[in-house]
Amino acid sequence: DTGVSQNPRHKITKRGQNVTFRCDPISEHNRLYWYRQTLGQGPEFLTYFQNEAQLEKSRLLSDRFSAERPKGSFSTLEIQRTEQGDSAMYLCASSLTWTDTQYFGPGTRLTVL
Amino acid sequence: KNEVEQSPQNLTAQEGEFITINCSYSVGISALHWLQQHPGGGIVSLFMLSSGKKKHGRLIATINIQEKHSSLHITASHPRDSAVYICAGQGNTPLVFGKGTRLSVIA
Repeated sequence: DTGVSQNPRHKITKRGQNVTFRCDPISEHNRLYWYRQTLGQGPEFLTYFQNEAQLEKSRLLSDRFSAERPKGSFSTLEIQRTEQGDSAMYLCASSLTWTDTQYFGPGTRLTVL
Repeated sequence: KNEVEQSPQNLTAQEGEFITINCSYSVGISALHWLQQHPGGGIVSLFMLSSGKKKHGRLIATINIQEKHSSLHITASHPRDSAVYICAGQGNTPLVFGKGTRLSVIA
């Protein structure tokens, strides 16, 4: 257990439905990152926060994706109108500063039918 | 071409063998991360290094900044080392990951 938790661990949804994932980072960590990993590939960066500010978003993050970290603690990632191509493992990580080790959560595996 | 390339993609070894996984990168980085991912998805950070060499137990990571190359070595490999090993470069942008090396150690 790295201290980073994600919920739910698995989510199966039908195409067109909205889904929301939650990440609880290590409490004193300012930085929070979201990644997506498809089968056989390494993780890909989606977005990151410093405290409550969303500092960067990948081009992978289409308009259907939105992430928040309202109080600088937990974060949510919402996908609207899910598509089969959204099926992937969604990983969250946190770190104390930009240059520190990132601690990863167990991931949320999304399957869109 | 991916900015971070790993080789080999797959590796099968007998228990006790010395293992080397290689990582080359084309981006400018300030640090190179080695990560371990077990079935089920959980990722654990093994090393973060910006120069030279680091050792933790049977694991050794080296980096050559000039050649933009890093290696992860496992001595006296064991079946519990079976996992996917991922390298990732960190610069002024968020982590850029390689595709991973799937290691299977057979007893």
